[in-house]
Amino acid sequence: NAGVTQTPKFQVLKTGQSMTLQCAQDMNHNSMYWYRQDPGMGLRLIYYSASEGTTDKGEVPNGYNVSRLNKREFSLRLESAAPSQTSVYFCASSHRDLSNYGYTFGSGTRLTVV
Amino acid sequence: DQQVKQNSPSLSVQEGRISILNCDYTNSMFDYFLWYKKYPAEGPTFLISISSIKDKNEDGRFTVFLNKSAKHLSLHIVPSQPGDSAVYFCAASGLAGGGNKLTFGTGTQLKVEL
Repeated sequence: NAGVTQTPKFQVLKTGQSMTLQCAQDMNHNSMYWYRQDPGMGLRLIYYSASEGTTDKGEVPNGYNVSRLNKREFSLRLESAAPSQTSVYFCASSHRDLSNYGYTFGSGTRLTVV
Repeated sequence: DQQVKQNSPSLSVQEGRISILNCDYTNSMFDYFLWYKKYPAEGPTFLISISSIKDKNEDGRFTVFLNKSAKHLSLHIVPSQPGDSAVYFCAASGLAGGGNKLTFGTGTQLKVEL
């Protein structure tokens, strides 16, 4: 099925461990995004990539790094996980002009840092 | 600074009645607005959008109204169905500014009761 695929779906990390969240889309979208969802906070933008080869910080970038590997893939890395990074992470993609329907989201990664 | 606000964390309505979800924004550069629906353990999915050149957009049971002078939009669902029970996020973008980033509200949990 066409769409946005995120891996893994669940992960438990110990404080200080590192990990990479993977995201791939097959809709030929130019732009990709990483959001986190926390109770009472809605969806907050971590990093985004307007097009292949570019990345920019969003609202809450501290503690994260990203790589736009190619047009399809956009990964999010936690170098030294902290309990404050416990959250649900969503990857999304879109055409550059949002083309009527905005973003297509993946199903999310639920991360717990203990 | 919350640029998109959904002041009602939850809303409960009876099946068959109208559901009205509200959203306020502060950034006058926003010119494109979307509503997303999210079920538990899934990513948000696009529901309906509206450009700032319109004040109403309708798609089946869903209608979005935009009041630019009040910086307010609302989503009407008529008639409400049990399957509409989900979290609804409003989102806004400033396309005229060249960006395609979406700023999301904090969400409203809608419960449609039998």
